[in-house]
Amino acid sequence: ETGVTQTPRHLVMGMTNKKSLKCEQHLGHNAMYWYKQSAKKPLELMFVYSLEERVENNSVPSRFSPECPNSSHLFLHLHTLQPEDSALYLCASSQLAGGPGNEQFFGPGTRLTVL
Amino acid sequence: KQEVTQIPAALSVPEGENLVLNCSFTDSAIYNLQWFRQDPGKGLTSLLLIQSSQREQTSGRLNASLDKSSGRSTLYIAASQPGDSATYLCAVKWDSNYQLIWGAGTKLIIKP
Repeated sequence: ETGVTQTPRHLVMGMTNKKSLKCEQHLGHNAMYWYKQSAKKPLELMFVYSLEERVENNSVPSRFSPECPNSSHLFLHLHTLQPEDSALYLCASSQLAGGPGNEQFFGPGTRLTVL
Repeated sequence: KQEVTQIPAALSVPEGENLVLNCSFTDSAIYNLQWFRQDPGKGLTSLLLIQSSQREQTSGRLNASLDKSSGRSTLYIAASQPGDSATYLCAVKWDSNYQLIWGAGTKLIIKP
């Protein structure tokens, strides 16, 4: 595997389900990100991890819970979601979280549908 | 407030034409600006990254320019091909942290 991978690629869940999204980066980076992309809206940054510590939580509802067990893996745990949470969830990584010139590399995304 | 705007939201041109996509931003004190491509239902592919000290970057048929004083960047695509059809996103980093501010994108369709 190369680059940034995400699983599953598609997920359909009911509002009472609990599921997790997984992201893995094979680039040796130290920062990882979760973004939400809804139709017709700019990307929304949800969470940022730098060296396995969360450095940003952009007012995201508690029904989204991130986990970063090491610098290569990032999870997004989902529970009691709402239909408006249906979106494309994108994971990204970069060499460092701060400083100029840190290019972010994205995974293919997980298309989430909440029924 | 720091904002990024991309106009038009959609663009359709015949194959073979040269074209320009626009990105404008408030506040000229940027760190860098990045252009991405997104195919339908897919993730983002980084195309070009321009540092604040640079005026342009080139990759193949793509050329991105940066004019901080006017708050503008353009992505020039030469000799467009149907495979260039995608949504093109512009993202700006303004300070030393990780936050990128995103435009809403321009959906480009190249007609064969």
